[in-house]
Amino acid sequence: RKEVEQDPGPFNVPEGATVAFNCTYSNSASQSFFWYRQDCRKEPKLLMSVYSSGNEDGRFTAQLNRASQYISLLIRDSKLSDSATYLCVVNGIGNQFYFGTGTSLTVIP
Amino acid sequence: EPEVTQTPSHQVTQMGQEVILRCVPISNHLYFYWYRQILGQKVEFLVSFYNNEISEKSEIFDDQFSVERPDGSNFTLKIRSTKLEDSAMYFCASIGGLAPSETQYFGPGTRLLVL
Repeated sequence: RKEVEQDPGPFNVPEGATVAFNCTYSNSASQSFFWYRQDCRKEPKLLMSVYSSGNEDGRFTAQLNRASQYISLLIRDSKLSDSATYLCVVNGIGNQFYFGTGTSLTVIP
Repeated sequence: EPEVTQTPSHQVTQMGQEVILRCVPISNHLYFYWYRQILGQKVEFLVSFYNNEISEKSEIFDDQFSVERPDGSNFTLKIRSTKLEDSAMYFCASIGGLAPSETQYFGPGTRLLVL
């Protein structure tokens, strides 16, 4: 079983739409959870950390369900600039971090 | 804002040659990482480094790979005898600690092409 699984998409949504991405992880001992964004041929950049209580940053909301080992990212009022690949990242054994395959989002004018 | 830097940005090499990829992590960070991303695939963990030694490594990180922190600022990844399948983007990352609130910061990557 993969450490982190994501729906690769692609998701093609119109501007202004709300879109949700999901991610599951296999290691129940994981403590750190993140969403990164990666633009084409660029490095991953932190979008937000994910906390047990859920957290929001502007148009972005992240949720963590430890019982189901499930993480989500909700983007409201999508902008063209949100087009990117969204990476779910979870820490594993020791100080390893595992990446999902990423979910591709294209926001269409 | 402090950042992780990597050199070179691109490297082309012949199969069987040695390459050294260089990284300067954020200065007060304690853990350093190398990842690779083959074109169109996910980011894969290679190795983590703490307190001047390897902390964790993946099955990808075989005897052809080595890491070093030669001078307290640079963090290098050496591939001794490159193979075609080593062609990928290599990202260095650093993190201040391992508390759940700590996050990794990535360098811009080195694109390695093995011919």
